[in-house]
Amino acid sequence: QKEVEQDPGPLSVPEGAIVSLNCTYSNSAFQYFMWYRQYSRKGPELLMYTYSSGNKEDGRFTAQVDKSSKYISLFIRDSQPSDSATYLCAMSGGGSARQLTFGSGTQLTVLP
Amino acid sequence: ETGVTQSPTHLIKTRGQQVTLRCSSQSGHNTVSWYQQALGQGPQFIFQYYREEENGRGNFPPRFSGLQFPNYSSELNVNALELDDSALYLCASSSGQTPTDTQYFGPGTRLTVL
Repeated sequence: QKEVEQDPGPLSVPEGAIVSLNCTYSNSAFQYFMWYRQYSRKGPELLMYTYSSGNKEDGRFTAQVDKSSKYISLFIRDSQPSDSATYLCAMSGGGSARQLTFGSGTQLTVLP
Repeated sequence: ETGVTQSPTHLIKTRGQQVTLRCSSQSGHNTVSWYQQALGQGPQFIFQYYREEENGRGNFPPRFSGLQFPNYSSELNVNALELDDSALYLCASSSGQTPTDTQYFGPGTRLTVL
């Protein structure tokens, strides 16, 4: 069983829709939770970062962490075609605090 | 753009050969990590270097090795290439060791092993 599970999709939504992306994890030592966006032929770029449980909002993006359920989410409001990318959840705080453990990524397409 | 560059962009090798991939970190970043991303998968941590010393390693065999230089550049070396080594190799640099120090990823080197 992988430490981090993520639905690979693909997920296709119309422009303006609310998108919900999720990850579950098994390692209770994880304390730091991140969402990365990866465009085709590019490296991942950090979108959101959250420490421990709670919500964090940044523009159209909201990250939620529920440590009791070992479940994290990323919501995208008013989705745009430019949001089409692969979204990766990542976590750290285990044996090596700087080591990121990634989910497999969800491929999102926002249709105009 | 993150300021992290990698070379070459693409590389084709045959099984059993050796390969060196290069990364140039953002100026002032003393920590570099290397990840392997197989097709359709998330990146997997290979190892991390801090001030030219390896200070963390994932579940990769010793034939994966690295170097970090004082000029913010680093190398990933892979000996005795296997078909399963075909992947996108990413380096990520950061300005510190704490989990709150953002890791900035380069665009990657796509390695194909035939």
